Amino acid sequence: QTVVTQEPSLTVSPGGTVTLTCASNTGAVTSGYFPSWVQQKPGQAPRTLIYSTNNKHSWTPARFSGSLLGGKAALTLSSVQPEDEAEYYCLLTHGNVWVFGGGTKLTVL
Amino acid sequence: EVQLVESGGGLVQPGGSLRLTCAASGFTFSNYWMSWVRQAPGKGLEWMTNINEDASEKYIVDSVKGRFTISRDNAKNSLYLQINNLRADDTAVYYCVRGTVTLPGTDYWGQGTLVTVSS
Repeated sequence: QTVVTQEPSLTVSPGGTVTLTCASNTGAVTSGYFPSWVQQKPGQAPRTLIYSTNNKHSWTPARFSGSLLGGKAALTLSSVQPEDEAEYYCLLTHGNVWVFGGGTKLTVL
Repeated sequence: EVQLVESGGGLVQPGGSLRLTCAASGFTFSNYWMSWVRQAPGKGLEWMTNINEDASEKYIVDSVKGRFTISRDNAKNSLYLQINNLRADDTAVYYCVRGTVTLPGTDYWGQGTLVTVSS
């Protein structure tokens, strides 16, 4: 069974930079897992910010970027804003099966 | 404007059945993969199933095989999720999600419909 692991929680100061990571128990995460990053704020539906490693949607703020880092997928937030406080989920595609990570609760403090 | 509107959720007894519907508008529905993702109260996101543009390919998470069935009607711009033999741990908000076209991924999400399984 594929397990995708994320940091349970991270804290960042406004204006700072933070990197969230996403690992798979099957080995290194590569572009072939088409990693996505999904943001969810309390009481709201999720929204996809990044897909296929580093592709942004029209609504994705420029301060969000996706990459591969040390065998993991990564989401980097630069110049963090208070409104970035949210839960962030990584999504990996393992063949025809999708697997979400457990989520990272990002606190901006 | 792309819109995905889920319906069909509600309170159902264990062992019962439901059919969820996702009404799509604002885009050519028949050109997109579609998926269902659920979220139990206070928990994370869980992918359930997806379907390709003409329903010739369907994939589903092992844990619900035999109970969940995805389907679509491109003429009605609608996606469906049939859920049978409902269990308490199926209690969740069920989201309809659109796939991206150029590269694998997702873009738009619906607001979700709540399914509560309880006697």
